[in-house]
Amino acid sequence: GEDVEQSLFLSVREGDSSVINCTYTDSSSTYLYWYKQEPGAGLQLLTYIFSNMDMKQDQRLTVLLNKKDKHLSLRIADTQTGDSAIYFCASSAPQTGANNLFFGTGTRLTVIP
Amino acid sequence: KAGVTQTPRYLIKTRGQQVTLSCSPISGHRSVSWYQQTPGQGLQFLFEYFSETQRNKGNFPGRFSGRQFSNSRSEMNVSTLELGDSALYLCASSLHSDNEQFFGPGTRLTVL
Repeated sequence: GEDVEQSLFLSVREGDSSVINCTYTDSSSTYLYWYKQEPGAGLQLLTYIFSNMDMKQDQRLTVLLNKKDKHLSLRIADTQTGDSAIYFCASSAPQTGANNLFFGTGTRLTVIP
Repeated sequence: KAGVTQTPRYLIKTRGQQVTLSCSPISGHRSVSWYQQTPGQGLQFLFEYFSETQRNKGNFPGRFSGRQFSNSRSEMNVSTLELGDSALYLCASSLHSDNEQFFGPGTRLTVL
């Protein structure tokens, strides 16, 4: 099955940009997602990108996809303390089902005031 | 529009018991998926239901089962509970089987 990898921790200062990276193995992945999880809460969908795109911007969030290297990143501009959370990337592919998401381990983002 | 709701939010059971968790999707959503989240294994897909039919299944033993009702509400059942079943169980709904999924807050199951 798909293997999705993320680094475990990231610390940034408030106001700086954060970049969270993710790699995946299945070249047939069609959708790639970023979810945010705050303590004691479920997953909040932040954004997603279709595999035929290489960039998507949504307010403070920028997603970059390098399909050749199977590398996905999420950039958060002007990071705020409220952005402190665990960020998961996830992928799906047609042969395993569009709603069968393969998740990374999550990156814990800590924003230092 | 109300989000995905899951009941109960917290549950404590003992080994060998069985448990039923409930999920109500966003109104109009027909697909419901279930995931297990543990510190060791992370987030893993359990199964997906669409129009009362199981469309997809993850790699979990037969002790884990589910169903979906005509109003799209879904339940999952775990029989003969083991300590390793302690986890946060998340439910997600989507309009169809290939749309973005919205997650509920989860049910935290503790098996003693």
